[in-house]
Parts: sequence; structure tokens; C-alpha cells
Amino acid sequence: ELKVEQNPLFLSMQEGKNYTIYCNYSTTSDRLYWYRQDPGKSLESLFVLLSNGAVKQEGRLMASLDTKARLSTLHITAAVHDLSATYFCAGLTGTASKLTFGTGTRLQVTL
Amino acid sequence: GAVVSQHPSRVICKSGTSVKIECRSLDFQATTMFWYRQFPKQSLMLMATSNEGSKATYEQGVEKDKFLINHASLTLSTLTVTSAHPEDSSFYICSAIAGAGGETQYFGPGTRLLVL
Repeated sequence: ELKVEQNPLFLSMQEGKNYTIYCNYSTTSDRLYWYRQDPGKSLESLFVLLSNGAVKQEGRLMASLDTKARLSTLHITAAVHDLSATYFCAGLTGTASKLTFGTGTRLQVTL
Repeated sequence: GAVVSQHPSRVICKSGTSVKIECRSLDFQATTMFWYRQFPKQSLMLMATSNEGSKATYEQGVEKDKFLINHASLTLSTLTVTSAHPEDSSFYICSAIAGAGGETQYFGPGTRLLVL
């Protein structure tokens, strides 16, 4: 059974700073996803990582995948207030396409 | 991109009543849909996988007689919370995969259920 852990659970950072969110998973995962969730809203898809060494970037966010270490990271560069949200990683296993979500990281970017 | 809608977006009901939530894929056919539940400040927990034309597959610990799922067409799945109780109050989110083996799940906007 796939287990997905994120850390930190909560992150308060100043605008302009850099930080990384970590996502560890317990068994082989076919794909690794990152999502953003704003308060009271559903999920917004950010990235899907398909293979070892995959790196994807969109604006100030960059996601990477190391399948050997079973680790994915979401790096935030020069944070801005608009990035405040909860970020989830999720692993995909099996032919049933089931997603297992991490605990989530609540990011608060302060001015 | 593909769009998934949910209805209603918000519902308040009395304890003991049943509530039906609809999940529709608006511009694609979805052979598989998923239902998640999210309690405040927690992660999403998969409740069940809904396949068109067959019985839903429920995750361990989810009562299939309480959470009835019907996937009658390739664009519609429904979740009925039967005899709802206050502990069923939660945010219910559906997702859909476009086509068999699709790599992306498209999430609906969610339905907030409050049981009084």
C-alpha cells in the first residue's frame, strides 16, 4: 500500500524567500502529482512527473522527482503572497489509477 | 482543459435525510470517476472508484450502503449519502479520468455538506 508523507505540514515564509516542500512515498509510484488547493476550493493541478529525474517548472514553482530515493520536491523561488495555499503531492499506483495524497503543506507567504 | 462539474456546491440537510451529489464531465467521456472526502485541514481520502456500467469499488472502511454510488453514463456519477449524520459533514470532491488509462484526473469544484 502506497503511503505518502509531506513535510513540512505548515510553512510560513516571507516574500522573496526560497523554500522547498518534500514529498516522500513508500513504494514504487507510477506517477507523482502536485496540486494546489485554495481555502474552500477544490484542487488545481500543478505538475505531473512521470520518470526519474523529471523536472518541471511553472513560474516560481519547480517540481522534481527522484524515484530511487522515492522523493519529490516542490521548490518555491522568490515567494509572493499569491502563492499562499495548501500544496498536496499524490502518488499514482496500479492499473486502477488510484491517487494517494500526502498530508498537505499549508504555505503562508507574508509581506 | 477538461471540465468537471459538481452539483450542488453546498448543501445543508437535517440529520437522517439523504443527499445526492452529482459529478459530471462536461466535455469528455469518463469511464472512471473517483469520490474523495476531505475534512477541515486534512488531506483528501479516496472513498470509492466509480466505473461506468458496473458497481463501484469502495475503499476499506467506507460503508457502501451509506454512500451509494451510481455511474449510469459516461458523463455522470452520483454519490448519495443516505441517512446523513453530523459526522458526515465534509467536503466531497469528485474527479474523472478522460478515457481508459488517462494520466490526468480532473477534479470537480467540490460539494460542501453540512448535516445539522
